[in-house]
Amino acid sequence: DAGVIQSPRHEVTEMGQEVTLRCKPISGHNSLFWYRQTMMRGLELLIYFNNNVPIDDSGMPEDRFSAKMPNASFSTLKIQPSEPRDSAVYFCASSPRDRGNSVQFFGPGTRLTVL
Amino acid sequence: AQSVAQPEDQVNVAEGNPLTVKCTYSVSGNPYLFWYVQYPNRGLQFLLKYITGDNLVKGSYGFEAEFNKSQTSFHLKKPSALVSDSALYFCAVTLGGTYKYIFGTGTRLKVLA
Repeated sequence: DAGVIQSPRHEVTEMGQEVTLRCKPISGHNSLFWYRQTMMRGLELLIYFNNNVPIDDSGMPEDRFSAKMPNASFSTLKIQPSEPRDSAVYFCASSPRDRGNSVQFFGPGTRLTVL
Repeated sequence: AQSVAQPEDQVNVAEGNPLTVKCTYSVSGNPYLFWYVQYPNRGLQFLLKYITGDNLVKGSYGFEAEFNKSQTSFHLKKPSALVSDSALYFCAVTLGGTYKYIFGTGTRLKVLA
């Protein structure tokens, strides 16, 4: 298996532009997570999907952020409009079960820079 | 509130020496504990987990961790460090039935040749 796939790996954009990050989870995994990593705040869970349904979006910072999972093999995280403070590394992770003892498998991340 | 603490931002150790990366937790209930490692420009990789049973857990790359309920700790250890072990290490905790990881702030391990 190729693992969790994220694209693009790097994104540089200007303030106010729309940004879309993409994720393909590991086949057969029913849980998907979006995280954001910054030096100041560490790793933050943004949103959690189970069986393609958003279960917990309490970590989404504001309405500029939205996430979708139209099917079991694809998810997007969109920021519109983007701001410099959104600059971070965004990780997607998937897990075979929605249990607390389940290992999460992380993608390589998308490094977003908003100028 | 549930929390995880990694008290050291950085740990330096000489190659061949034993290493310890510390983690303490505060949760109500029985925790599930994890260690992940992050190499530069990569996502987090699973090292090991404690769910129940033997307090000493063995994981990938020769790492092990000991669950100590009385001290609410889950320190990561390796008997002999390698330069290639240099990375950022995260401790995480979940509670029984929940999916939500609570991550520590990370400890940067530097193994010196």
